[in-house]
Amino acid sequence: DQQVKQNSPSLSVQEGRISILNCDYTNSMFDYFLWYKKYPAEGPTFLISISSIKDKNEDGRFTVFLNKSAKHLSLHIVPSQPGDSAVYFCAANQNSGYALNFGKGTSLLVTP
Amino acid sequence: DSGVTQTPKHLITATGQRVTLRCSPRSGDLSVYWYQQSLDQGLQFLIQYYNGEERAKGNILERFSAQQFPDLHSELNLSSLELGDSALYFCASSVALGGGGGSYNEQFFGPGTRLTVL
Repeated sequence: DQQVKQNSPSLSVQEGRISILNCDYTNSMFDYFLWYKKYPAEGPTFLISISSIKDKNEDGRFTVFLNKSAKHLSLHIVPSQPGDSAVYFCAANQNSGYALNFGKGTSLLVTP
Repeated sequence: DSGVTQTPKHLITATGQRVTLRCSPRSGDLSVYWYQQSLDQGLQFLIQYYNGEERAKGNILERFSAQQFPDLHSELNLSSLELGDSALYFCASSVALGGGGGSYNEQFFGPGTRLTVL
């Protein structure tokens, strides 16, 4: 039962443009959300997170938006760079739980 | 480099066999998590240990077991292997128990062990 869903397996964006990666979740008990980035042959690396008490968190070129009523979050990358090409995983957990629930990932390709 | 090490990087074995995957957490981290990533699947949580004790269990098969040793390294044992066990196995570590936010709960992932069962 996939509680975190990333419905777009891949996304291609031109360098300099905005990349928007989407994520939906079904468990209303989730209260902490994270994005991880993964390059081939490496483990996922933490990118940015957001608590359910916020609706936006920004870190440089990366912004995560949370819409709790829609159970939806998105990651915006502005401007996109070729080095951003990677697989992006959305994850969520409950404050009382320790495991991260991951989506299947979206492969982002940023073309020059 | 996350500071989490996993060995071996690749493992090829046959059905019915038993293998052990090893993980060394970042220095100072007490929590170790194991995740499985099968083809076309997201990372699935298997099990977590904190300071030597099992703290949480996910969809881990009975054929799989894990432990965390006094030096905090962890091993994931997979037995009676089946073709469907072929996957990437990731270990992650965090300072604290996890859950919620904060730097102490952030999970740092190792590079993974790719297991191929033939």
